[in-house]
Amino acid sequence: AQSVTQLGSHVSVSEGALVLLRCNYSSSVPPYLFWYVQYPNQGLQLLLKYTSAATLVKGINGFEAEFKKSETSFHLTKPSAHMSDAAEYFCAVSELGGSEKLVFGKGMKLTVNP
Amino acid sequence: DTAVSQTPKYLVTQMGNDKSIKCEQNLGHDTMYWYKQDSKKFLKIMFSYNNKELIINETVPNRFSPKSPDKAHLNLHINSLELGDSAVYFCASSHPRDGNTEAFFGQGTRLTVV
Repeated sequence: AQSVTQLGSHVSVSEGALVLLRCNYSSSVPPYLFWYVQYPNQGLQLLLKYTSAATLVKGINGFEAEFKKSETSFHLTKPSAHMSDAAEYFCAVSELGGSEKLVFGKGMKLTVNP
Repeated sequence: DTAVSQTPKYLVTQMGNDKSIKCEQNLGHDTMYWYKQDSKKFLKIMFSYNNKELIINETVPNRFSPKSPDKAHLNLHINSLELGDSAVYFCASSHPRDGNTEAFFGQGTRLTVV
């Protein structure tokens, strides 16, 4: 069965600093990988997704993620944090040929300090 | 022009009551889901329907009964509410292709059982 690990629960960065949110996955077949963002009291919004095309995926709001099969990772980065990036970030996986559901990591709360 | 809409947004009710949450999507998707987000923000799938047919039922108590009158609607009925049912419930829809399960989420329903 597929799974996602997001170590830790909280990351704090200064405005303008690099954002790095880690995600490792486990899957017995080629995965599809997603990053979602949840702003306070809101639903989830897709940031970006990996679907076996380019390994470096660019998303909305300046975020990008790189799929590394050898490391089973799909870390999310943004070169320069903005105050508006403060939110909860979820990594998720679904499987080629698998059941039609997303399996989520535990989420990471990003705080951006002025 | 909301893509996935669910009502109500907030629901406060007493233990033992029966309540329903409604969900509608106007994206033309053929698969809809209910996810539960607990107090620690952990997201887990509950049900999935494809063209009104139940596809996934993730060991949810049978007090929870989803109903899909058509492929644009998926409602969730909960009988005999318990304190532990307090959570945020998200409806989502997608058009899965080979496991590419990019899902679009509603704004969530915050259920509080007192």
